[in-house]
Amino acid sequence: NAGVTQTPKFRVLKTGQSMTLLCAQDMNHEYMYWYRQDPGMGLRLIHYSVGEGTTAKGEVPDGYNVSRLKKQNFLLGLESAAPSQTSVYFCASYRPRTNYGYTFGSGTRLTVV
Amino acid sequence: KQEVTQIPAALSVPEGENLVLNCSFTDSAIYNLQWFRQDPGKGLTSLLLIQSSQREQTSGRLNASLDKSSGRSTLYIAASQPGDSATYLCAGDQTGANNLFFGTGTRLTVIP
Repeated sequence: NAGVTQTPKFRVLKTGQSMTLLCAQDMNHEYMYWYRQDPGMGLRLIHYSVGEGTTAKGEVPDGYNVSRLKKQNFLLGLESAAPSQTSVYFCASYRPRTNYGYTFGSGTRLTVV
Repeated sequence: KQEVTQIPAALSVPEGENLVLNCSFTDSAIYNLQWFRQDPGKGLTSLLLIQSSQREQTSGRLNASLDKSSGRSTLYIAASQPGDSATYLCAGDQTGANNLFFGTGTRLTVIP
């Protein structure tokens, strides 16, 4: 049982380049999330999904897009990377009315130069 | 918008000491509350989950409580060890908004 797996773990992009971060969970969770973590600001929600085929904006959605074509996968896209998107990105999943709470991946460290 | 404050921001204690970390929410209507541990450069490890019908959870040397009337939670660590050194994050969600709001964390250092 791998839990929540994020790929890649590290990436360096040039300004204007695009990329996709992949999150995969094997726990059959309905809800999935993308957060970013910046020094002194805690984790902030970018986008989330409450089920296959659905997505919604979080607190800081600008510059990002997401897709949830399969229940187990949640993709985060950066169409034109900016230095302000340098951050550590965390994916999480959650199934309501269970005893397990939210489960997080190990993170993707992204640097935009 | 829910704001989460964690006090203190940093704490340094000698090994063996008992300690309390604090967390408070501007909106006290918390549904689930979860405490996480984060080691430098690593992901979040769940420590304790207090679900909507609960007020307290214990795991080993850790005890977390939630006062829903005030929107405050505490994490109690007994007999601290150097291996407890990490950043501790509290987070809560709210009814109808199943996403976590995070505090900025307490960085704990336990000195051998």
